[in-house]
Amino acid sequence: KAGVTQTPRYLIKTRGQQVTLSCSPISGHRSVSWYQQTPGQGLQFLFEYFSETQRNKGNFPGRFSGRQFSNSRSEMNVSTLELGDSALYLCASTRGSEQYFGPGTRLTVT
Amino acid sequence: DAKTTQPPSMDCAEGRAANLPCNHSTISGNEYVYWYRQIHSQGPQYIIHGLKNNETNEMASLIITEDRKSSTLILPHATLRDTAVYYCIVRVAGRDDKIIFGKGTRLHILP
Repeated sequence: KAGVTQTPRYLIKTRGQQVTLSCSPISGHRSVSWYQQTPGQGLQFLFEYFSETQRNKGNFPGRFSGRQFSNSRSEMNVSTLELGDSALYLCASTRGSEQYFGPGTRLTVT
Repeated sequence: DAKTTQPPSMDCAEGRAANLPCNHSTISGNEYVYWYRQIHSQGPQYIIHGLKNNETNEMASLIITEDRKSSTLILPHATLRDTAVYYCIVRVAGRDDKIIFGKGTRLHILP
């Protein structure tokens, strides 16, 4: 079956702009989690959505938000981008004990 | 803080078995042990998971101690393509997924 897909794969934005990233989970998976990975901080949990509801949230400012649609696809949005938001953004698709990560979106803020 | 502790790096000769340890002394009874690996700039790749029994699949074996406070991931015949950062995590399957990743183990396969 098809894996987790994330779009776009690469993105360059300037400070102050906003960005929306998309994640399509594996068919049948209803939970989608988002992570930020930077060289200094490693993999950090952003938030998790299940059945269109945010079920858990990490310690990130309100500029980071997300949502999930009825087909389980999820988007995350970062407003007023800062240089420190440059990172690999990963989503994970989960059902029960199965959890798989997507390839990530590499965001560069200049 | 992460609930797992792993050595920061390990070396293994190509063709030999790579044994990666992980400590999870505060693991709860309903938490699974999961292993992922990440090759540079790619998303983490699922390897294997288990609750209390040893598990084996086409990629690796997972040995969990009887008290479940530690585990070992075994790559039976390491190749250069196994060079990656390996993450051991614990999570409750089917529950909310706020996973805290540690720093993982950087595995170097030596030719």
